[in-house]
Parts: sequence; structure tokens; C-alpha cells
Amino acid sequence: EAGVAQSPRYKIIEKRQSVAFWCNPISGHATLYWYQQILGQGPKLLIQFQNNGVVDDSQLPKDRFSAERLKGVDSTLKIQPAKLEDSAVYLCASSLSVYEQYFGPGTRLTVT
Amino acid sequence: RKEVEQDPGPFNVPEGATVAFNCTYSNSASQSFFWYRQDCRKEPKLLMSVYSSGNEDGRFTAQLNRASQYISLLIRDSKLSDSATYLCVVIKNYGGSQGNLIFGKGTKLSVKP
Repeated sequence: EAGVAQSPRYKIIEKRQSVAFWCNPISGHATLYWYQQILGQGPKLLIQFQNNGVVDDSQLPKDRFSAERLKGVDSTLKIQPAKLEDSAVYLCASSLSVYEQYFGPGTRLTVT
Repeated sequence: RKEVEQDPGPFNVPEGATVAFNCTYSNSASQSFFWYRQDCRKEPKLLMSVYSSGNEDGRFTAQLNRASQYISLLIRDSKLSDSATYLCVVIKNYGGSQGNLIFGKGTKLSVKP
């Protein structure tokens, strides 16, 4: 069974630039999550989708971050404009239920 | 107070040692608890669920104390391959099977030959 796919795997941008990340969840998984993991920290939920509806985006910095999940499958997360403190690994996960989430390999973002 | 707090680590132990990780959580309404494992520069993966009755999977034993809001993970006979960061995870439930995971910072384990 194919896992969660993410791209790109690495991205280096300058502050104030824009960046987008893509996630393809495991087939059939209705729930999709985006997490931010800063070095030395555990993952922090940014947004949770159930099909193409948002369940929880309370920790998403909405002034610069946006996410969408069209057709309830793939999802994109965008940062515009990026700040130095956005340097982190962005993890996408999917699940049939909250009790076991499957994570993708992540996108490592460096903002200079 | 953070929602999930873990031992800061790192834990450096010799092969064959027994090591225990502790975790506390602040929300007494939390219902479900897990340990995830994260290898260096890899994604987190579910290690095991944690039940009030305690559960064991080979060399790994997880315990939950709801009264103290405390979770533990015990690893016996440590192997070099156990070297990783162990993340304590609590579910924030929305109802039914929906919710999201609240992760601790993680405790890094390094098993030496």
C-alpha cells in the first residue's frame, strides 16, 4: 500500500518569499492533517481536514498560512510571505480515524 | 502549563539496559494516549497505544495513570536500533472518532554498544 506522499522534500527560500507544499494522502483516508515540526519540538497541528472541510485550523497563522483540500484528496499548504521562524519540517498525515495517523516524509523548509 | 510534557532527555544508555520515559498531560478529559517513535530526519510512526490496564509489546511496556495524568514507556533489553526520539501523544477529541494529536517535545534515546 502506498504511503502518504509529499513534495518537495526540501525547499530553501528567502524571507518574504512564498512557498507551497503538496500532499497526497493514503487512498481512502478521509482525514488529512498538516503539522509543523520545529527542530527539537514535537509536531504541532496546523490544520485538519475531514474530506474537503476544515475540522480544526485554530493553530494556523491565517495571516500568512493557507491550506486547501480540493475534491477531498490532495492538499496544498501555502506560506505567503515566509518568515525566518517558519523554518521547520512540514508533515502531512492521513487517517481513517484519529487513533492511528500515517505521516508522510515531510518537507524540510529553510527560510534565509 | 504545556498540554503534554516529557522528560527532557537525552537518555544515553548501554545495550541491554532498561530505560523508562515519563510523560504528563494537563487535560483530564483526554481519552486516548500513544507513544510514537521518530527516527532522525524521519516521520513519526505509531509505536503503541497506552491503556489504563497497561499494555506490553515485546520489550516495550506502556502504562497510564489517569489519576496522576501520567504516562510511561519502559524499554527492556535496549537494542542499538531503539535509538530514536520517543514522542508522548494525547488525543484531543472532538467526538466520535475525530480529534487531533497533541505531541510532547519528545525524549531522545541513544543506545550505545
